[in-house]
Amino acid sequence: IAGITQAPTSQILAAGRRMTLRCTQDMRHNAMYWYRQDLGLGLRLIHYSNTAGTTGKGEVPDGYSVSRANTDDFPLTLASAVPSQTSVYFCASSDMTGTDTQYFGPGTRLTVL
Amino acid sequence: GQNIDQPTEMTATEGAIVQINCTYQTSGFNGLFWYQQHAGEAPTFLSYNVLDGLEEKGRFSSFLSRSKGYSYLLLKELQMKDSASYLCAVRDSNYQLIWGAGTKLIIKP
Repeated sequence: IAGITQAPTSQILAAGRRMTLRCTQDMRHNAMYWYRQDLGLGLRLIHYSNTAGTTGKGEVPDGYSVSRANTDDFPLTLASAVPSQTSVYFCASSDMTGTDTQYFGPGTRLTVL
Repeated sequence: GQNIDQPTEMTATEGAIVQINCTYQTSGFNGLFWYQQHAGEAPTFLSYNVLDGLEEKGRFSSFLSRSKGYSYLLLKELQMKDSASYLCAVRDSNYQLIWGAGTKLIIKP
């Protein structure tokens, strides 16, 4: 693989269920990010990680948790999904050097009913 | 609060030139990014400005004025494939990206 992969591509989930969105990168980037994108709004940062073993909260962290056990993987977990978490979720990574440009995965479209 | 403003939608003709504006009010400034996002796809990086002036990259150019809190993306020789949303993002003093809602560009033949 090259770049960032996300799984699943899309998911329909019943409210109250637990769900983990997966993200893997093979660029050896130090930093990884989770965003949600909703119609009419800019991308909003949920959680981030600047290096394996550390995580931080973004603008909209409530209801979400993350872990960073290694450089490549950065899963996002919804402990008990609610309809307001219906969104498109993008994972991104950056190498924290130079322009520190973020590169995005293909996204996961999540619907919570 | 922090704010990034872009027009919601613009229409232009194939072969023409279009300028997409972005104004920002953020706590600190550590660079401005433009991304392109086709419908149903991920954002892809277009350009980066950290100093005032114009950065040219093929058909695309990006301009920054830090004193005015203003940037624009200039697209020349428009092609149908340029139909997409264009996202402006500013890196703030916490080194986080603050994103505009994006400008949907419609290209007509």
